[in-house]
Amino acid sequence: GAGVSQTPSNKVTEKGKYVELRCDPISGHTALYWYRQSLGQGPEFLIYFQGTGAADDSGLPNDRFFAVRPEGSVSTLKIQRTERGDSAVYLCASSSPPSGRGTGELFFGEGSRLTVL
Amino acid sequence: AQKVTQAQTEISVVEKEDVTLDCVYETRDTTYYLFWYKQPPSGELVFLIRRNSFDEQNEISGRYSWNFQKSTSSFNFTITASQVVDSAVYFCALSEAKTGGFKTIFGAGTRLFVKA
Repeated sequence: GAGVSQTPSNKVTEKGKYVELRCDPISGHTALYWYRQSLGQGPEFLIYFQGTGAADDSGLPNDRFFAVRPEGSVSTLKIQRTERGDSAVYLCASSSPPSGRGTGELFFGEGSRLTVL
Repeated sequence: AQKVTQAQTEISVVEKEDVTLDCVYETRDTTYYLFWYKQPPSGELVFLIRRNSFDEQNEISGRYSWNFQKSTSSFNFTITASQVVDSAVYFCALSEAKTGGFKTIFGAGTRLFVKA
């Protein structure tokens, strides 16, 4: 597709359940980012990938959160034993390879809204 | 450590007024990049501008202009003759080079209301 695609757009789950959120970046973008946005807040950095490897996962809140990008394109954010505090919009973004001028801008998907009951 | 501060939580103006959104950043790096993004009510974040740390030239794009001042670590955004369609949340962001790539963090955003 032309843009960053995220699925599902909405997910309602019960406390304690396991959730997977998927991100399909723009073709050719080597960098992929996950952010979490709560109501009235800015995007909170979670993790970013350069290719297949997680270059920085310092924003993952705890070990219930994990993300993969096995082939360097699609990424999955996995949340185990969900808690009500995990409710938020999870945003994925991708960017073109860094150049001499530095990183390109981030292209965002529409987000996956997660509600934990 | 990286930090971006947008002290203005909400701003309300009447159409055709000029408005400036403030952004102050903190970084220890000499090479970094600053951005502004717009998040309209529809929700999807849209890129507006990028500035690198070596280029302090101010930029104008139509009704939008940006003032980058390293001396005060600020990257302010001005909308001239605001319009109702400018109503959105605006985020300032900072990107630093890290091993393996770049890490971008965002401020808390400023919600702009433009009334007709």
